[in-house]
Amino acid sequence: DTAVSQTPKYLVTQMGNDKSIKCEQNLGHDTMYWYKQDSKKFLKIMFSYNNKELIINETVPNRFSPKSPDKAHLNLHINSLELGDSAVYFCASSPNPGSAEQFFGPGTRLTVL
Amino acid sequence: DQQVKQNSPSLSVQEGRISILNCDYTNSMFDYFLWYKKYPAEGPTFLISISSIKDKNEDGRFTVFLNKSAKHLSLHIVPSQPGDSAVYFCAASEGATGTYKYIFGTGTRLKVLA
Repeated sequence: DTAVSQTPKYLVTQMGNDKSIKCEQNLGHDTMYWYKQDSKKFLKIMFSYNNKELIINETVPNRFSPKSPDKAHLNLHINSLELGDSAVYFCASSPNPGSAEQFFGPGTRLTVL
Repeated sequence: DQQVKQNSPSLSVQEGRISILNCDYTNSMFDYFLWYKKYPAEGPTFLISISSIKDKNEDGRFTVFLNKSAKHLSLHIVPSQPGDSAVYFCAASEGATGTYKYIFGTGTRLKVLA
């Protein structure tokens, strides 16, 4: 039973399209995150939600919009996809914002053509 | 500006020997550090952490050392096993802010040779 799951695992799409990546955690955690790992292997935080409220919002284009319908879900919607958005996106969760350990999903590899 | 650096992209070690993975940071406000391990096609998994009030933390075969004056931490794996072959990321955070926003290094790929 997967603790943090993401769908889809792979996403190939054309420039200009809008796409969503879904994330669900069954750990009962309050805090969820989205990270982006680019081609240079940098793993950078994008957003964090705690109890459905945004608590971390890094310098990310506003084409990226996270949505947390409930504590167990944090979806990432991307509008007008660009070539530079190609990356692996990881969702993660932790019991609360002050928890050191984060539990990561398997990642979604997004390729924009 | 890369605040957390792992300058060795890869490391090969013989099974049974010690693996030493290094990490340097530039932000003196970082006070909590973690190591994550990542297998291909999986997300990173937590390995071990250390707070800035300590200089060493040990968990089984894994020990993390922190040298605050040098802004350097290292992960020692003894003895190394083939199953340890993975990419290892170090991460640092200003925990005093109350929200752990981690800055990750680019990872070191460890290969343990049988």
